[in-house]
Amino acid sequence: DAGVTQSPTHLIKTRGQQVTLRCSPKSGHDTVSWYQQALGQGPQFIFQYYEEEERQRGNFPDRFSGHQFPNYSSELNVNALLLGDSALYLCASSLGKQRGGGDTQYFGPGTRLTVL
Amino acid sequence: GESVGLHLPTLSVQEGDNSIINCAYSNSASDYFIWYKQESGKGPQFIIDIRSNMDKRQGQRVTVLLNKTVKHLSLQIAATQPGDSAVYFCAENPYTSGTYKYIFGTGTRLKVLA
Repeated sequence: DAGVTQSPTHLIKTRGQQVTLRCSPKSGHDTVSWYQQALGQGPQFIFQYYEEEERQRGNFPDRFSGHQFPNYSSELNVNALLLGDSALYLCASSLGKQRGGGDTQYFGPGTRLTVL
Repeated sequence: GESVGLHLPTLSVQEGDNSIINCAYSNSASDYFIWYKQESGKGPQFIIDIRSNMDKRQGQRVTVLLNKTVKHLSLQIAATQPGDSAVYFCAENPYTSGTYKYIFGTGTRLKVLA
């Protein structure tokens, strides 16, 4: 049973560039959440996708956007990269419910983004 | 505001001893809690979860205790092994408030001494 997969593993970009990160959820899961984890800190919620729509967003600027495809996979896009965007970006999948949460989220290995 | 904090940033234990990692949460509306283990360069790995209608849950070598009165969560690891060395996070989800996100603290590093 495949777990959550993410690509690429590592990425180096320069300030002002744009980046796209990809995530495939665990088999049977339909909900994808994205988190940003700065070095030495806990993950911070960016947003969650369910039924191809963003259903909740954390305190991140509009430069962060996403998409969910019919097969439940997801992309995270970050525009106009800043040095402070350097972090580990984590994708978590779960079996969503229409209302409420309380779903166990399983994380992928992450994509390490470095902005120079 | 909402936060999940940890009392001890680093915990060192002898191999074979029991470990206890503590976590305080501030949102009394939180309904669901998970402990994750994160090894260097990897994503968080699910260890055990507990819902607010329980005060104790046991897994293989791990036990989670929830004290809603003082808003405190703990993870107990029995017979700690070198492979348990990692950073441990507790995460809360106040889902009955309509929140889907998990709120993480900064983590506790567990070091197992041979």
